[in-house]
Amino acid sequence: AQRVTQPEKLLSVFKGAPVELKCNYSYSGSPELFWYVQYSRQRLQLLLRHISRESIKGFTADLNKGETSFHLKKPFAQEEDSAMYYCALRGSSGTYKYIFGTGTRLKVLA
Amino acid sequence: DAGVIQSPRHEVTEMGQEVTLRCKPISGHDYLFWYRQTMMRGLELLIYFNNNVPIDDSGMPEDRFSAKMPNASFSTLKIQPSEPRDSAVYFCASSLAGVNTGELFFGEGSRLTVL
Repeated sequence: AQRVTQPEKLLSVFKGAPVELKCNYSYSGSPELFWYVQYSRQRLQLLLRHISRESIKGFTADLNKGETSFHLKKPFAQEEDSAMYYCALRGSSGTYKYIFGTGTRLKVLA
Repeated sequence: DAGVIQSPRHEVTEMGQEVTLRCKPISGHDYLFWYRQTMMRGLELLIYFNNNVPIDDSGMPEDRFSAKMPNASFSTLKIQPSEPRDSAVYFCASSLAGVNTGELFFGEGSRLTVL
């Protein structure tokens, strides 16, 4: 069964501190992993995807198949990073089932 | 394109009433998803369609919930009868499978309050 786990509901850090939002998944095949972000009063939007191996707004995420993790990291948090972050998994092998974790609210304190 | 359009944005109703939420996906997209967002459970997938056909409705809570997609540009999520525990934000999202980026495009959500 597909499952995405985000253990932290709330993460508070000070501006300039490193950030790590945890995501673990369960899937029997080779999934595609994503991070979505919801800023205040804005739509949910894609932040980054594992296949692109990109850095967006200073955030990176590496897929660790051994640990079934896809943690989101940023070396220096900014106040504008405060938002709700969701880890998501899309099934492969012809299925397109797209599920999300419970989300982590990140608060960056001045 | 205006993106995914949902209506109503806010709905307040009394327990037992029928609620219908509407969604217009992005033109040309072949996948449509309905999610429910709550503080406790985050984003739960309720049902998704491919080319207007329901593929997986295992996330629909119970028989009180139903969803339809009569054509490529319109979908509804209906709750009948509604209960206070249905209070949540309901999101619709669409995607184009042929473009292998996997990105979902979300609507602004419909906030439902059942009294």
